Amino acid sequence: GQNIDQPTEMTATEGAIVQINCTYQTSGFNGLFWYQQHAGEAPTFLSYNVLDGLEEKGRFSSFLSRSKGYSYLLLKELQMKDSASYLCAVSAWPYNAGNNRKLIWGLGTSLAVNP
Amino acid sequence: DVKVTQSSRYLVKRTGEKVFLECVQDMDHENMFWYRQDPGLGLRLIYFSYDVKMKEKGDIPEGYSVSREKKERFSLILESASTNQTSMYLCASSDRDRERWETQYFGPGTRLLVL
Repeated sequence: GQNIDQPTEMTATEGAIVQINCTYQTSGFNGLFWYQQHAGEAPTFLSYNVLDGLEEKGRFSSFLSRSKGYSYLLLKELQMKDSASYLCAVSAWPYNAGNNRKLIWGLGTSLAVNP
Repeated sequence: DVKVTQSSRYLVKRTGEKVFLECVQDMDHENMFWYRQDPGLGLRLIYFSYDVKMKEKGDIPEGYSVSREKKERFSLILESASTNQTSMYLCASSDRDRERWETQYFGPGTRLLVL
């Protein structure tokens, strides 16, 4: 079956670094997404990985290992506003075959940043 | 910037009422999606559409229908609202013909309460 696993909750301190892991088991793989969702708001796109390695975007970086079915989102210099849920999503067959354009979503990791 | 708007942020309806949720995107995207999001259950796909007048069932279509008469507009209809349809409803869109076409952009969400 298709499955995505993320920790349910994490806490970290302002100014620190935190790594949020995501593992997936899918029939195929076309790309992995990270989204940020503040409480009561819609998810917003953070990053996309399709090749192995690290993609850096300011304070946020995302890493992918396709052979291990593993990704992480790294947040540096944490700020209070980074308190949010972080969703991992995968594009994989058959959900992206033909006219399908569906993503497989994890349940999200709720990150609390403390002062 | 991609802009996805939803007709209401908050909605209160009575059991048995017919409910219409409207979503409009202004980026000429082919794909549009309706999700509901509940604590502990994550994002669940109700329906999606890959073209005008085309629709596909998602993971939980029961009790819902959709309409896509124009490319920019995707409507979700609750034929007879029930209390278990109380939820946050999120609309999203994506562009089929671009690199990273699976990247979905979300509207602000509609929080529906069915009494």
